[in-house]
Amino acid sequence: GAVVSQHPSWVICKSGTSVKIECRSLDFQATTMFWYRQFPKQSLMLMATSNEGSKATYEQGVEKDKFLINHASLTLSTLTVTSAHPEDSSFYICRLGTGESGYTFGSGTRLTVV
Amino acid sequence: KQEVTQIPAALSVPEGENLVLNCSFTDSAIYNLQWFRQDPGKGLTSLLLIQSSQREQTSGRLNASLDKSSGRSTLYIAASQPGDSATYLCAPETSGSRLTFGEGTQLTVNP
Repeated sequence: GAVVSQHPSWVICKSGTSVKIECRSLDFQATTMFWYRQFPKQSLMLMATSNEGSKATYEQGVEKDKFLINHASLTLSTLTVTSAHPEDSSFYICRLGTGESGYTFGSGTRLTVV
Repeated sequence: KQEVTQIPAALSVPEGENLVLNCSFTDSAIYNLQWFRQDPGKGLTSLLLIQSSQREQTSGRLNASLDKSSGRSTLYIAASQPGDSATYLCAPETSGSRLTFGEGTQLTVNP
């Protein structure tokens, strides 16, 4: 079956530093990649969508200069949280796939900024 | 913009009860609707996917129904067990393979 590897599963970083989260599709190619975040006790909210060969499309209220998304290849997507602050502490999860074959979620990354 | 509401927000029941979790959505132009389970601090486990042309889908003790025109879906859990304790999320899919999540129902099944 379709497998997505997301790393790290959890990370603690100091305020002001940057953190990179990776999602890899291990046995399929993903033309579309979604990134979600989930604050405690809240639902998952879509942050951005990236399609192969084009820049990511960000949802309203998500700062594109703060959350850098790179659809590096058909099997790799990265989310970099730049100059992280405590309010960026959240659960981040990717969803990779194609419209024809469906999508698979990563296992998520718990980010804590101290 | 799709909005998804799940009722109840939380539910605590004794083991063995049959449960009903409700989901409503505002944009009925959906391709499918998925139900997920999320354990504390964990990712998502897909439970059931109902295509827009289907009325229901079953997997073991789980049964999900979909009334697309009225913007409603229901997840039935039969003979609940303590291992069913988790947050259950409903997510209709619209154009662009876009999923919109509800805030979930937090279920606790007591032994």
